[in-house]
This record gives sequence, C-alpha cells and structure tokens, in this order.
Amino acid sequence: GENVEQHPSTLSVQEGDSAVIKCTYSDSASNYFPWYKQELGKRPQLIIDIRSNVGEKKDQRIAVTLNKTAKHFSLHITETQPEDSAVYFCAAQRPIDYKLSFGAGTTVTVRA
Amino acid sequence: AAGVIQSPRHLIKEKRETATLKCYPIPRHDTVYWYQQGPGQDPQFLISFYEKMQSDKGSIPDRFSAQQFSDYHSELNMSSLELGDSALYFCASSLITGVETDTQYFGPGTRLTVL
Repeated sequence: GENVEQHPSTLSVQEGDSAVIKCTYSDSASNYFPWYKQELGKRPQLIIDIRSNVGEKKDQRIAVTLNKTAKHFSLHITETQPEDSAVYFCAAQRPIDYKLSFGAGTTVTVRA
Repeated sequence: AAGVIQSPRHLIKEKRETATLKCYPIPRHDTVYWYQQGPGQDPQFLISFYEKMQSDKGSIPDRFSAQQFSDYHSELNMSSLELGDSALYFCASSLITGVETDTQYFGPGTRLTVL
C-alpha cells in the first residue's frame, strides 16, 4: 500500500511569514495529491491539489509543488495569517483504489 | 453548492451496543468513502463503495459493515462497540471520471463516543 510521511509535525510562524510543509510518498503509481486543512473537530477541507502531470500549482497565497522523481510534494503558504492556524494533512491517491493515504498532519500556529 | 451530509453528528453509546452512521453524498457523486479519525491522528480509510458495490476495504474491523443503497447514500453499521471505537467518522464522496482520479469532499463527520 501507499505510505505517506509528513514533516514537520508542528510549525510555528510569525504572521506574515511563510510556512512550508513537506511530504513524501512511497508508491510511484500515486497520481493525485491533495492537501486538506482541518480545524479542531471539523471536517478536512480541501485547500489545493495537484496531479502527477503537473509540477506546480498556485492559488493565491497557497502553492503546491510536486517532484515525481523524488516522490515528494510540498505545500507553501505565504503571508500567513492567524486564520491559517490549523492542522494540515497531505495525502496521496492511487488510481487502482482511489482511497486517500494521509500523512500524520502538521499543526500550524500563526503568531500574531 | 450541496455538500456531503452525515447523520447523526454526535452519538453516545455504551460498550457492546450497536451504532449506525449515515452518509448522503454530493448529488451525482458515485463513490463513497468512510474514514475513522482518532484524537490527534490522521484519517484512516475504512471502506469505499463505487456504484453501490464495495470497491476497497481498509483497516475496518469485522464488527463493522457498510453498504451503499440505490439512492447512493451509505450506512456504516458498527456492532459490539468498544471504547477504542470512539472517534470521528468521516464520509467523503467523489465522482470517478474514469480518466483522472477526482477530489474527495468530506462530510462534517459523526463524533462517536463509547462509554
């Protein structure tokens, strides 16, 4: 099966600074990589995703990069705001079964 | 836009009791996934259904069963509940295009507490 590793487990940044979260995956067949933001007790909410035929995708302050050769992908949040504080999960999906394999999560705290 | 609906939102049960969780996918979505999330953990895949047929199974205990009905809603049945079953249970739905995998949208979750 797929194994996703995520680092760091916690991240504290000053408001306005950037935050970077990195993930690696094990199965080269995985071809879809979403990122979810989850606030305490709430549902995971998709914030951005990338497919294996693309190397980079950006949506306002959020960007994701994918290196298929190295099997790693990263989330970049620029100009962080207090409302960006949450747990962020990366995930990988294989076309054979479509289930999501999640990383362990990164707790991001943005200090005002 | 319509989202995934789950009911109930909160459920309290005693050990050895039975629970049924319901999920109503986004209209026209053909695939439903169930995930279990313990405190401080990432969501763990339990089971999925595509076009009313079980498509994949993850770390789902034999005490749990699930099905998808003709209207595409799904139910997760949990019997002989144990304290360790206390968790958030999420349902997600997607539309499998057959060309590319597609986004899974999560419901609000059911918080199950087993006493």
